[in-house]
Amino acid sequence: NAGVTQTPKFQVLKTGQSMTLQCAQDMNHEYMSWYRQDPGMGLRLIHYSVGAGITDQGEVPNGYNVSRSTTEDFPLRLLSAAPSQTSVYFCASSYLGGGYEQYFGPGTRLTVT
Amino acid sequence: GENVEQHPSTLSVQEGDSAVIKCTYSDSASNYFPWYKQELGKRPQLIIDIRSNVGEKKDQRIAVTLNKTAKHFSLHITETQPEDSAVYFCAGVTGGGNKLTFGTGTQLKVEL
Repeated sequence: NAGVTQTPKFQVLKTGQSMTLQCAQDMNHEYMSWYRQDPGMGLRLIHYSVGAGITDQGEVPNGYNVSRSTTEDFPLRLLSAAPSQTSVYFCASSYLGGGYEQYFGPGTRLTVT
Repeated sequence: GENVEQHPSTLSVQEGDSAVIKCTYSDSASNYFPWYKQELGKRPQLIIDIRSNVGEKKDQRIAVTLNKTAKHFSLHITETQPEDSAVYFCAGVTGGGNKLTFGTGTQLKVEL
């Protein structure tokens, strides 16, 4: 049982480049989400999904796209990277409904130059 | 939407002392309040949580209290140890959903 996995662990992009951050979970969780973590700002929700085929925006969605074709995978796409997207990105998953623990992946540290 | 404020942003205590971190929330419909610990370079991990139908919950050296009327909740760590040094985040979840709104974190340093 690997839990929540993310790839890559580190990435450096140039402004304007695109990339996809991968997230997968093997716990059969319906709910998956993406957060970004910046110094002094805590973790902010980017996008989330309550099941395959269903996604919605969080607090800071601009510049990011997501899709959920399977229960296991929830990739995050940066279409045209900007320096403001330099951050640490965490994926998380849980069972659907209030009060369930959310499990976080190990994170991806992204730098945009 | 929900807004969670957390204080203090940094906290330094002597080993063996107690540490208290406080959070307030804005949405009276919030009903689940987890606390996460994040060590340097690691992922956040749940250490304790409380639901709105409970006023206090304890797990060994850590406890959480909730005051629904005042809309605030607190994390209490007793007999602090160096391994308690980390960043602690509070969060709130509204209604029956899963969306976590985090506080901005508290850097706890336990000094020998």
